[in-house]
Amino acid sequence: GQQVMQIPQYQHVQEGEDFTTYCNSSTTLSNIQWYKQRPGGHPVFLIQLVKSGEVKKQKRLTFQFGEAKKNSSLHITATQTTDVGTYFCAGPENQAGTALIFGKGTTLSVSS
Amino acid sequence: KAGVTQTPRYLIKTRGQQVTLSCSPISGHRSVSWYQQTPGQGLQFLFEYFSETQRNKGNFPGRFSGRQFSNSRSEMNVSTLELGDSALYLCASSLGDAGNTIYFGEGSWLTVV
Repeated sequence: GQQVMQIPQYQHVQEGEDFTTYCNSSTTLSNIQWYKQRPGGHPVFLIQLVKSGEVKKQKRLTFQFGEAKKNSSLHITATQTTDVGTYFCAGPENQAGTALIFGKGTTLSVSS
Repeated sequence: KAGVTQTPRYLIKTRGQQVTLSCSPISGHRSVSWYQQTPGQGLQFLFEYFSETQRNKGNFPGRFSGRQFSNSRSEMNVSTLELGDSALYLCASSLGDAGNTIYFGEGSWLTVV
């Protein structure tokens, strides 16, 4: 069945360093979504990418959707302690409805 | 605008019991989906309801069921609880069209002892 994989599983950085997480799907995706979950919290929507090769920025966060629409990345520039949490990518499970297949996530820890 | 509301937030049940979790979606949202989150398996899709009909179903046993009411509120039920059912159960609502953003509630933490 369809799978969405993320690497790395864990990443620890010093505050101010950059961070990147990568997401790969076994199938072509119509769109990819990114969520952030703080420790003890629930997933919060960050962004959706739809177009091949699309790049979107949110302040220090840069999201990219691959040309083949099977991979994506999230890059954080100059991490801050507020960036701590688990970042998930997710793609549609099928053509209809809103069901998503989530990657296992990348947990980011930041030390000051 | 109020977000997705889930009740109860925390509960402890004994093996063999059954549990019902409730979810009130964002006003105007017609789709409600449920996810199970565990440390080992991550976020897994359970099912989605749209206009009171189950539209999608994940790969979970029949002990997991749900329903949606005419006001879009949804409930999920787990019967004959097993220790492995201990998890965070997340409800998410959306407008319902493919590609629409889903918004999660804070979840219901279920512990089975």
